[in-house]
Amino acid sequence: DADVTQTPRNRITKTGKRIMLECSQTKGHDRMYWYRQDPGLGLRLIYYSFDVKDINKGEISDGYSVSRQAQAKFSLSLESAIPNQTALYFCATGPGLLRNTDTQYFGPGTRLTVL
Amino acid sequence: QQQVKQSPQSLIVQKGGIPIINCAYENTAFDYFPWYQQFPGKGPALLIAIRPDVSEKKEGRFTISFNKSAKQFSLHIMDSQPGDSATYFCAASIGGAGNTPLVFGKGTRLSVIA
Repeated sequence: DADVTQTPRNRITKTGKRIMLECSQTKGHDRMYWYRQDPGLGLRLIYYSFDVKDINKGEISDGYSVSRQAQAKFSLSLESAIPNQTALYFCATGPGLLRNTDTQYFGPGTRLTVL
Repeated sequence: QQQVKQSPQSLIVQKGGIPIINCAYENTAFDYFPWYQQFPGKGPALLIAIRPDVSEKKEGRFTISFNKSAKQFSLHIMDSQPGDSATYFCAASIGGAGNTPLVFGKGTRLSVIA
């Protein structure tokens, strides 16, 4: 089974709808991240969480919110989706400071289309 | 302001060639520089990473060259194969490892033709 799973893998929705993307991990990592990938723009950080009680905004947090329901679960919400939020969304996990020789592990991505 | 600049956007090489992808960064606080490889329909996966206390790191056919004074680092792929065709991202972070938020370059789409 994959260490980092994302659901759904593909989603088409309409402008104004509320959408939730879910991420779960079995790596036992404390840190979780949401990135957005757009063609030609690379990956940009939306939100990140260093533990269950910690939530931090990234470079492009406007229009998004997150919830860290447990160590293993981190969900991303679009409260009112708009077409320019059409993108590929990736969840990633990483260990805490005591394991600083490790890196981030990415899920398979969710392709979101907002019409 | 883009903190990590990557070039070229795309690259086509013959099998056996040595593609080189370059990145430059602005923030001197960055102390961890990974390269990620992404195949279509997949998430990025760590390929190789370097810290600024060394100037070169090799893992198999992949080599990172790092120039701290110029704030530049590059990926070289020796004896490239069609299976290396993918999108490559350089990245940088603060904290000495990959467990803090990554700042990515815009990516390079590599095609290795037989």
